[in-house]
Amino acid sequence: GAGVSQSPSNKVTEKGKDVELRCDPISGHTALYWYRQSLGQGLEFLIYFQGNSAPDKSGLPSDRFSAERTGGSVSTLTIQRTQQEDSAVYLCASSLTGTSSYEQYFGPGTRLTVT
Amino acid sequence: AQSVTQPDIHITVSEGASLELRCNYSYGATPYLFWYVQSPGQGLQLLLKYFSGDTLVQGIKGFEAEFKRSQSSFNLRKPSVHWSDAAEYFCAVVRGSGGSNYKLTFGKGTLLTVNP
Repeated sequence: GAGVSQSPSNKVTEKGKDVELRCDPISGHTALYWYRQSLGQGLEFLIYFQGNSAPDKSGLPSDRFSAERTGGSVSTLTIQRTQQEDSAVYLCASSLTGTSSYEQYFGPGTRLTVT
Repeated sequence: AQSVTQPDIHITVSEGASLELRCNYSYGATPYLFWYVQSPGQGLQLLLKYFSGDTLVQGIKGFEAEFKRSQSSFNLRKPSVHWSDAAEYFCAVVRGSGGSNYKLTFGKGTLLTVNP
């Protein structure tokens, strides 16, 4: 079946612009995650959605970052007023439910470059 | 807070040679442990996982890993490396139960180069 898909695959933006990154999870997966992969920090957890529960936003690095998940499916990660340090690969993952027992399936990522 | 250390940033092996990638974790309770592989331009693919039970776990692509509680280690091994194994490998840990038992904490990764 179809895996996790993300769009765009690459995004180049100017400093100060807003960007939106999209994630389509695997159908039927109730849990969705965003991670960031950067040279300096490695892979970091950003945010977690589980069904209709309030999301865990504890990993978002600043208030310029926000995410939403509409209809329990597609998610959008928005970065406002982008900075050069936001340059990274943003990975989305989904799992059947949000506990450690369930494998997180990762998408191919969106490579964001802020110039 | 939990943490994962992968001491080797880059390893080069010859095709057909054996491989061991090291992973040490720091966590107060029993963790769930994972190894992921990332090929260039690709997302992360799960190789294997350890939750409980037999400390030697088998994964895909001929990989195995051994959990050693006394050493807080979860090293990845393969008896004979193929050129297609060249990739970056990440060890990860998550809390086995309780709050936030979904946040994966990753090591910095080990880049594997395979020489012909």
